[in-house]
Amino acid sequence: DAGITQSPRHKVTETGTPVTLRCHQTENHRYMYWYRQDPGHGLRLIHYSYGVKDTDKGEVSDGYSVSRSKTEDFLLTLESATSSQTSVYFCAISGTGGATQPQHFGDGTRLSIL
Amino acid sequence: AQKITQTQPGMFVQEKEAVTLDCTYDTSDPSYGLFWYKQPSSGEMIFLIYQGSYDQQNATEGRYSLNFQKARKSANLVISASQLGDSAMYFCAMREGTAYNTDKLIFGTGTRLQVFP
Repeated sequence: DAGITQSPRHKVTETGTPVTLRCHQTENHRYMYWYRQDPGHGLRLIHYSYGVKDTDKGEVSDGYSVSRSKTEDFLLTLESATSSQTSVYFCAISGTGGATQPQHFGDGTRLSIL
Repeated sequence: AQKITQTQPGMFVQEKEAVTLDCTYDTSDPSYGLFWYKQPSSGEMIFLIYQGSYDQQNATEGRYSLNFQKARKSANLVISASQLGDSAMYFCAMREGTAYNTDKLIFGTGTRLQVFP
């Protein structure tokens, strides 16, 4: 199993509060990703990182920010959570770029915003 | 435009039978990869199989094989000898990327497979 740890695994919070999700990897992989999974949409990319301090937006980045100060950690922040951000969040990693490499996923964080 | 299409929301198969899960894709990038993931009820995403756009042969991994028809832009997953443990959600995904930093994974909406005894 790829060494990916997401924390917390479950979180319930209120609208308007800040939330930070953490992804920690032990594989020393360069690429890290945050996805959200919602019924009927599959997984959608929020943000990704291709190196320390190098990040870019994905398909559904509004309302989210990310930071990567170390190779092993990729943080996803909801500055002011809204109910539409209730979802399951997955972190993924990949050793290299390019079309040939699979991404390996963490176990997910179930986030509920009331 | 939707880039990955999985038209079967749900499929049933009897144990020990083979089943095909459909996936069509759309891209203008000559270099791309196609991936299948399994998501059991426990929620984790498990990588199953990969097919590259330049691969001449269909990919196989144990009981999983990929029926890759490039001209039709389809990459169907075939599971042979289904087992009860194969019951799960299956996602097809595509990774484009000849350009630096554009290797994002695009997912379909998934097919729920149920294997019955």
